[in-house]
Amino acid sequence: GENVEQHPSTLSVQEGDSAVIKCTYSDSASNYFPWYKQELGKRPQLIIDIRSNVGEKKDQRIAVTLNKTAKHFSLHITETQPEDSAVYFCAASPYNNNDMRFGAGTRLTVKP
Amino acid sequence: GAVVSQHPSRVICKSGTSVKIECRSLDFQATTMFWYRQFPKQSLMLMATSNEGSKATYEQGVEKDKFLINHASLTLSTLTVTSAHPEDSSFYICSASWGAGYEQYFGPGTRLTVT
Repeated sequence: GENVEQHPSTLSVQEGDSAVIKCTYSDSASNYFPWYKQELGKRPQLIIDIRSNVGEKKDQRIAVTLNKTAKHFSLHITETQPEDSAVYFCAASPYNNNDMRFGAGTRLTVKP
Repeated sequence: GAVVSQHPSRVICKSGTSVKIECRSLDFQATTMFWYRQFPKQSLMLMATSNEGSKATYEQGVEKDKFLINHASLTLSTLTVTSAHPEDSSFYICSASWGAGYEQYFGPGTRLTVT
């Protein structure tokens, strides 16, 4: 089955700096890669996703890149703000089934 | 966007009793619902996947007789923790999806404490 690894486990940045979180996956059949943001005690919220037919996707301050050959994808947050502080999870899933696997999570702290 | 509700948000029960948690998709029909367990400061661990009208598919190591899942309609799935023990205390989160290859929308979670 799919195995998703996520790094780093914790990340602290200064407000205004960029943050990068990286994930690798093992199953070459995976072709859907969402990123979720989870604030303390709340539900995970989808913030951006990418499918394997695209190498990069951007939504305002958030971007995701995908390298299918190397089986890794990354989340980039620019101009970070204190409200970006949360735990971020990457996930990978094959298109033809629901077997979505999550990374271990990255606790991002943005210092004002 | 898609809205998923979960009830109750918190529950405290005594060891040996059973607890039922409901997951509802409020504004869409979810052909598939998922149940996750999340320990403090850890990731989401998939427990089982349920498709409307069929038996749930459990992940390895998850006891199907202990965690009963019912997905009777396209908008409701229930998880029953039977004969709960303190080690079952956790944060249980459901999610719902239109189907394979689509994003999952998460419920707000249920914090279960077994005393």
